[in-house]
Amino acid sequence: EDKVVQSPLSLVVHEGDTVTLNCSYEVTNFRSLLWYKQEKKAPTFLFMLTSSGIEKKSGRLSSILDKKELFSILNITATQTGDSAIYLCALPGAGSYQLTFGKGTKLSVIP
Amino acid sequence: DVKVTQSSRYLVKRTGEKVFLECVQDMDHENMFWYRQDPGLGLRLIYFSYDVKMKEKGDIPEGYSVSREKKERFSLILESASTNQTSMYLCASAAWRATNEKLFFGSGTQLSVL
Repeated sequence: EDKVVQSPLSLVVHEGDTVTLNCSYEVTNFRSLLWYKQEKKAPTFLFMLTSSGIEKKSGRLSSILDKKELFSILNITATQTGDSAIYLCALPGAGSYQLTFGKGTKLSVIP
Repeated sequence: DVKVTQSSRYLVKRTGEKVFLECVQDMDHENMFWYRQDPGLGLRLIYFSYDVKMKEKGDIPEGYSVSREKKERFSLILESASTNQTSMYLCASAAWRATNEKLFFGSGTQLSVL
């Protein structure tokens, strides 16, 4: 059975801090790993990672994948209150059309 | 941009009622999904469909059914709503090519069953 484990489950930081969110996985046939950000409504896509060691970057957010150790990290530098959200990690299942999601990390950024 | 529209943002129903949640996407995607999201449990897949009139059970299909009569529309049906079906329901769609397994989500329907 495919497994996606995110840590920590929740995190409270002050504005300006840097945070690292973790996603470890066990899947039968790895194809990709996706990160989503969910504020009050729909999850929105952040990154899709397929290759080890290649950093994907978007502004203050970056993510990297380690296919040998089976994990990914999402970094957010100089956090702002607008970064407060649930961050979700997901992987496609082997031979199927569905994504398996982790339980998410709830990030709260306080002024 | 892909748009996935869910018909209701908030819905309150009584135990035993039949409930329809509607989802429409405008990008001609083959694949559509229904998830529910509960605190501490994350997103769990209820049903998905990879073509018109095709459906597959996800991880928690019990108490739900679905309908896909047209490519753009995927409906989730609660035949007889129960209080344990109180949840946030998220619809998603995807083109689902091997190089792009990105889901696009609707804004969600918060369903309360009293």
